[in-house]
Amino acid sequence: EVHLVQSGTEVKKPGESLKISCKASGYSFTSYWLGWVRQMPGKGLEWMGFIYPDDSDTRYSPSFQGQVTISADKSNRTAYLQWSSLKASDTAMYYCARHKEWEYVYDAFEIWGQGTMVTVSS
Amino acid sequence: DIQMTQSPSSLSASVGDRVTITCRASQGISNYLAWYQQKPGKVPKLLIYAASTLQSGVPSRFSGSGSETDFTLTISSLQPEDVATYYCQKYSNAPFTFGPGTKVDVK
Repeated sequence: EVHLVQSGTEVKKPGESLKISCKASGYSFTSYWLGWVRQMPGKGLEWMGFIYPDDSDTRYSPSFQGQVTISADKSNRTAYLQWSSLKASDTAMYYCARHKEWEYVYDAFEIWGQGTMVTVSS
Repeated sequence: DIQMTQSPSSLSASVGDRVTITCRASQGISNYLAWYQQKPGKVPKLLIYAASTLQSGVPSRFSGSGSETDFTLTISSLQPEDVATYYCQKYSNAPFTFGPGTKVDVK
């Protein structure tokens, strides 16, 4: 069975760094695009970007370009979302999600992780 | 970037009612359009992709239509378990923007 299991809740201070993870199982990790979606408290879904783990080809939304880094480790079947300096406005639920079709970049998100809640507060 | 809008932003309907949600793209996106359902406190779930293809396991009361700039999600007979926020998403080119969402309640 296909699963995406995300790392747990994080509480950080402004200015701190953070790397959250999304571990895949049950499918060929390198053959599907995997993305990240932000949901701020009480708000809608925002597409942040995605990565093709086989060659680490990565695309970002202009809204998130330079603000976060998406990466993947093929050996661990894990994708990551990281910040170098968190802000209070980064407080949100972050979901990883896998595309529906093998290798297909223009695709919907079929499989979702359970979400990682990140709270940034002094 | 292509902008996505949805209407209405919220609606309340009775069990058994036919419900229609509209999604509009600021430029043509062919049929690269998905619909998701997010129940309160839950993870989003893919309902429809390629504008009109029902995802496996999704009840047949859900349907999608449209192309290029105008799309609709229809629930043919609203059920209590359909209380959720519904989002469209375009994936014709990056960024794969989501619409702002439509919150559906049952009267």
